[in-house]
Amino acid sequence: QVQLQESGPGLVKPSQTLSLTCTVSGGSISSGGYYWSWIRQHPGKGLEWIGYIYYSGSTYYNPSLKSRVTISVDTSKNQFSLKLSSVTAADTAVYYCARIILGMAWAFDIWGQGTMVTVSS
Amino acid sequence: SYVLTQPPSVSVAPGQTARITCGGNNIGSKSVHWYQQKPGQAPVLVVYDDSDRPSGIPERFSGSNSGNTATLTISRVEAGDEADYYCQVWDSSSDPVRVVFGGGTKLTVL
Repeated sequence: QVQLQESGPGLVKPSQTLSLTCTVSGGSISSGGYYWSWIRQHPGKGLEWIGYIYYSGSTYYNPSLKSRVTISVDTSKNQFSLKLSSVTAADTAVYYCARIILGMAWAFDIWGQGTMVTVSS
Repeated sequence: SYVLTQPPSVSVAPGQTARITCGGNNIGSKSVHWYQQKPGQAPVLVVYDDSDRPSGIPERFSGSNSGNTATLTISRVEAGDEADYYCQVWDSSSDPVRVVFGGGTKLTVL
């Protein structure tokens, strides 16, 4: 079965770029019928969608973060990545990668375990 | 932008039925998904497309959607159902299409 696993630094300095990778196992990221997404959750708060990407490279971002976000895909490694620039303490959150399944009305059917990222000097 | 409104908390005794609502303008015209999130864990999809259940989700979890309110119903509530629940839709009225989550509802099993 398909599994997702986030990886990357748990601590990022203010004004720097947060970089995370999601590795997909048990299936191909190039399979049609799925988008691949990043979602974050501030401590004690709700879920915030960041953006999503198709294996072809087409991307869609949350307008509130669009100026700072880049999501990319590496089909050879079966991975997709998140870069968030000019981070501040407000970007401290648990970051999840998740699969969007088109055949289930575009639901987020598989999630990674999440990775906590703290922005601090 | 499209807004989903959930009650912050719902409490129910074991064995009873919990109903968690998700309000939105004409939400009945959208497909609603529901996620369960237990402390320290990632969300899990429990209902998709208003009322369908992914494989492995108990039949106790059901959903409905009409008018301006979608509802997640948990029958015969168990202690293990205590969690935060989030509704989610796609806002196709915006460009690009956006993901919208409700604020979440904490289900407490008394």
